Amino acid sequence: AQSVTQLGSHVSVSEGALVLLRCNYSSSVPPYLFWYVQYPNQGLQLLLKYTSAATLVKGINGFEAEFKKSETSFHLTKPSAHMSDAAEYFCAVIENTNAGKSTFGDGTTLTVKP
Amino acid sequence: KAGVTQTPRYLIKTRGQQVTLSCSPISGHRSVSWYQQTPGQGLQFLFEYFSETQRNKGNFPGRFSGRQFSNSRSEMNVSTLELGDSALYLCASSFPGQAGNTGELFFGEGSRLTVL
Repeated sequence: AQSVTQLGSHVSVSEGALVLLRCNYSSSVPPYLFWYVQYPNQGLQLLLKYTSAATLVKGINGFEAEFKKSETSFHLTKPSAHMSDAAEYFCAVIENTNAGKSTFGDGTTLTVKP
Repeated sequence: KAGVTQTPRYLIKTRGQQVTLSCSPISGHRSVSWYQQTPGQGLQFLFEYFSETQRNKGNFPGRFSGRQFSNSRSEMNVSTLELGDSALYLCASSFPGQAGNTGELFFGEGSRLTVL
């Protein structure tokens, strides 16, 4: 069975600082991994996805994530935080692209201090 | 292309009532899945419909049900509402088995249900 663990339910950084949100996964087959972002009172939107093409994945808004099979990790980073990055971030895993169900982590709330 | 549309956006019900939420997927998407989001439990999978058939089901009681119509629009129903059903209900569409699919979900803005 697949699962996702996000370390740290709350992360706080200063504007301009590095953002690092951690995600570890468990999957019995090579996984497909996703990061979604949710702003207040909105649904989730895709930030980036890993689908085995490249281990370093670039997404929207300057975010990127690196797939590390040996560490079963897919951490999300951004070199310089902006106030507009404050949101909740979810890591998700599926075992095949035709699966109708994604497994989500518990989410990490990112706060950006001025 | 229009996104996923959920109605209503907000609603208030009392215990014991029932509620129906609607979701219109992105045109051409045949899969619709539903998630319940609460502060304590996070995002929990309810069920997924594909071509009018329930294909996956989460671990929720039978009070939670859904259906999908031939135009891929979906509804979910919660009967005999409990206080604990207060949540944001999110619908997501996707297009499994179709060209270009990489498994991502496209979410609506959600229906926020408050049970008093």
